[in-house]
Amino acid sequence: NAGVTQTPKFRVLKTGQSMTLLCAQDMNHEYMYWYRQDPGMGLRLIHYSVGEGTTAKGEVPDGYNVSRLKKQNFLLGLESAAPSQTSVYFCASKQGSSNQPQHFGDGTRLSIL
Amino acid sequence: AQSVTQLGSHVSVSEGALVLLRCNYSSSVPPYLFWYVQYPNQGLQLLLKYTSAATLVKGINGFEAEFKKSETSFHLTKPSAHMSDAAEYFCAVTGTSGTYKYIFGTGTRLKVLA
Repeated sequence: NAGVTQTPKFRVLKTGQSMTLLCAQDMNHEYMYWYRQDPGMGLRLIHYSVGEGTTAKGEVPDGYNVSRLKKQNFLLGLESAAPSQTSVYFCASKQGSSNQPQHFGDGTRLSIL
Repeated sequence: AQSVTQLGSHVSVSEGALVLLRCNYSSSVPPYLFWYVQYPNQGLQLLLKYTSAATLVKGINGFEAEFKKSETSFHLTKPSAHMSDAAEYFCAVTGTSGTYKYIFGTGTRLKVLA
């Protein structure tokens, strides 16, 4: 059972470079999320999606873009990477009901030099 | 508006001792509450969830939590700590009103001493 798969697992970028993080889930979940995790700050929501073709801004959306062209995939893009975007990025998905938990991937560790 | 406060960013207990990790929430609607565990270099795994069926919730690995509305708390406990419990623990809240956003606490890192 794959669950939520994130690629890549690690990446080092130079300031100004662009990249895309991929999240794939095989549970047919409606909702998908991108978070960043920084020491002492818990998880902060970047963007989320409530269904195929929809996206919405979270708590810290600046500098990121997302797309959900297929239900199972949620892409996070950095158009021009900045050192402040050095973080661990987590993708999560959940079923539609409010009382359902989120399922998380193992994270992408991104360093911006 | 919803929020979660986890008291104590670091907690140390001896192996075999009681584990108590504190979580207080604020919610304008009846909440759903969750505890997650994160082991090094891994994602978050669900430990247990409160969805109004019972105030005492049992989860995996011997953990349990009690929902106390009067205290707006959802503390996580385990009677006897094991070395394998060393990890970071996150409390999260969402509302019953159909919202799909979860609010996470800042986490408590549990250290188990031999």
